[in-house]
Amino acid sequence: AQSVTQLGSHVSVSEGALVLLRCNYSSSVPPYLFWYVQYPNQGLQLLLKYTTGATLVKGINGFEAEFKKSETSFHLTKPSAHMSDAAEYFCAVSEGAASGSRLTFGEGTQLTVNP
Amino acid sequence: DTAVSQTPKYLVTQMGNDKSIKCEQNLGHDTMYWYKQDSKKFLKIMFSYNNKELIINETVPNRFSPKSPDKAHLNLHINSLELGDSAVYFCASSRGGGAFFGQGTRLTVV
Repeated sequence: AQSVTQLGSHVSVSEGALVLLRCNYSSSVPPYLFWYVQYPNQGLQLLLKYTTGATLVKGINGFEAEFKKSETSFHLTKPSAHMSDAAEYFCAVSEGAASGSRLTFGEGTQLTVNP
Repeated sequence: DTAVSQTPKYLVTQMGNDKSIKCEQNLGHDTMYWYKQDSKKFLKIMFSYNNKELIINETVPNRFSPKSPDKAHLNLHINSLELGDSAVYFCASSRGGGAFFGQGTRLTVV
């Protein structure tokens, strides 16, 4: 079984400040981990993913995340927030790359960026 | 070209009606999914198909029936719609290691 916990349903930062969105996971096998972003009335866009190899992964729009097995975490960061980063962010886990592996999502974090 | 496309984008219908949502992907992926996003934005898997075969059916009422005529298409038919079916339904596809999502279909049952 797999699960994801996102700490903080709402995060508010000032423009130019550090963005930190927290994600902890549970998985019975080595996980694949993902961050998705959802803008209002749109679908989910993949920001970045960890499968194997380097534990620090870089994604689109200046975001990055670090896989920490000992902490079962995959927190998302961005050094400097832009107004355009305001959106809903979802962390997700899947149990590897087997055909049909399901994505299990966290409950999402709404990011607000203040001018 | 849109990678995963679903139609319609909006669907408003009365209780008791039957409706379908269509999904097509042009990514050559083997696996397609339907996810449901509720009013609190929680995403939950409903179905997964791999090479046209159903492999995940996640305790969804049997009023919901997916159909995959080929690898590139996965449609969702819903019978006897209920108020509680109101949600956003997302189609997705993958070849392992994550998924690409469509823009969603916002279903409102009145």
